[in-house]
Amino acid sequence: RKEVEQDPGPFNVPEGATVAFNCTYSNSASQSFFWYRQDCRKEPKLLMSVYSSGNEDGRFTAQLNRASQYISLLIRDSKLSDSATYLCVPRDRGGKLIFGQGTELSVKP
Amino acid sequence: DTEVTQTPKHLVMGMTNKKSLKCEQHMGHRAMYWYKQKAKKPPELMFVYSYEKLSINESVPSRFSPECPNSSLLNLHLHALQPEDSALYLCASSQAPWPSDEQFFGPGTRLTVL
Repeated sequence: RKEVEQDPGPFNVPEGATVAFNCTYSNSASQSFFWYRQDCRKEPKLLMSVYSSGNEDGRFTAQLNRASQYISLLIRDSKLSDSATYLCVPRDRGGKLIFGQGTELSVKP
Repeated sequence: DTEVTQTPKHLVMGMTNKKSLKCEQHMGHRAMYWYKQKAKKPPELMFVYSYEKLSINESVPSRFSPECPNSSLLNLHLHALQPEDSALYLCASSQAPWPSDEQFFGPGTRLTVL
């Protein structure tokens, strides 16, 4: 079983759509959780940390369920510029980031 | 300013060459990382430096040799690489190597080994 599993994608959605990404992780000792986005041939950029109570940053909402070892990311009113690969990234006790394979999002006009 | 810089942007080298990748951050971060990323794959951790000491080596072949001259700089020395080592090499830093600390990535060096 992979340490981090994400929706395989790609997701092709029209502008303005709401899209949700799901992620599960196997290490119950994971300490913290992040979503990164990565544009083609660029570096990963931190999108947001994920807190147990859930958190929102503008059009982006992240949720964490530690009991189910499940993380989600919701993007509302998607823009063309949201097109990227979204990486679900738990971090273990030793500080190591464990990257998922990523889910590719393509937002079309 | 959450900026990590890396040089060079692109590097082409032969299997007998010796080259170095450089990474710099001026955010006062005390943990720095090297990752390798192949196309369509997620980044893979290679090394972690914590307070200028090597704390994690993910069983990386000795042809990759990291060095941390000071708290702002991280180098990766390359020698006798193989074509399969061609990849994007990413440097990252975080305030400290604690699980909650966010890591910020540099733009990477795209390495081609001929």
